[in-house]
Amino acid sequence: NAGVTQTPKFQVLKTGQSMTLQCAQDMNHEYMSWYRQDPGMGLRLIHYSVGAGITDQGEVPNGYNVSRSTTEDFPLRLLSAAPSQTSVYFCASSYSGVGNQPQHFGDGTRLSIL
Amino acid sequence: DAKTTQPNSMESNEEEPVHLPCNHSTISGTDYIHWYRQLPSQGPEYVIHGLTSNVNNRMASLAIAEDRKSSTLILHRATLRDAAVYYCILNEGGFKTIFGAGTRLFVKA
Repeated sequence: NAGVTQTPKFQVLKTGQSMTLQCAQDMNHEYMSWYRQDPGMGLRLIHYSVGAGITDQGEVPNGYNVSRSTTEDFPLRLLSAAPSQTSVYFCASSYSGVGNQPQHFGDGTRLSIL
Repeated sequence: DAKTTQPNSMESNEEEPVHLPCNHSTISGTDYIHWYRQLPSQGPEYVIHGLTSNVNNRMASLAIAEDRKSSTLILHRATLRDAAVYYCILNEGGFKTIFGAGTRLFVKA
């Protein structure tokens, strides 16, 4: 099992550019989410999905867009990159939303906005 | 959403047990206590979780106070590979979880 796969691992963008961070999981998990982690801090939830076709906003959704057309994939789109979006982005999945279900994380995408 | 409090950092000697504390005084009856760890340049990794009773798995043990207002992650024999940031979070289901700054564990050889 590959688990949660994120691509690319590193990316440098210029201010105003757009891009899509890819996330795929092969565990047939219903729940998927995107977090960002700034230096020395914990993870903050950007967007999440409880199943194909269903998405919702987390704590810091501004400047990001998501869609969930399949169970496996949950891409994150930066609409117009800003330096404040320089961060490490993690995608996670879990079998369900029940409190005893652990989340499985990818290895992250390190994004720099110049 | 209930939050947790952890020390910023702790230090341990290799081969010795490590007790990582976590306070969660506002925990609700439906909150599960989860622990994750994050190695350098990697995503968080699930370690263990529990509700009321103490739990053991191959990675660690989780001791939960009787009133559930605190818990302790126990690494029985620390190795250099255990040096990481450890997060204690409460999970009541859905996405109502908060990852704080965690405890950075340093392991000395």
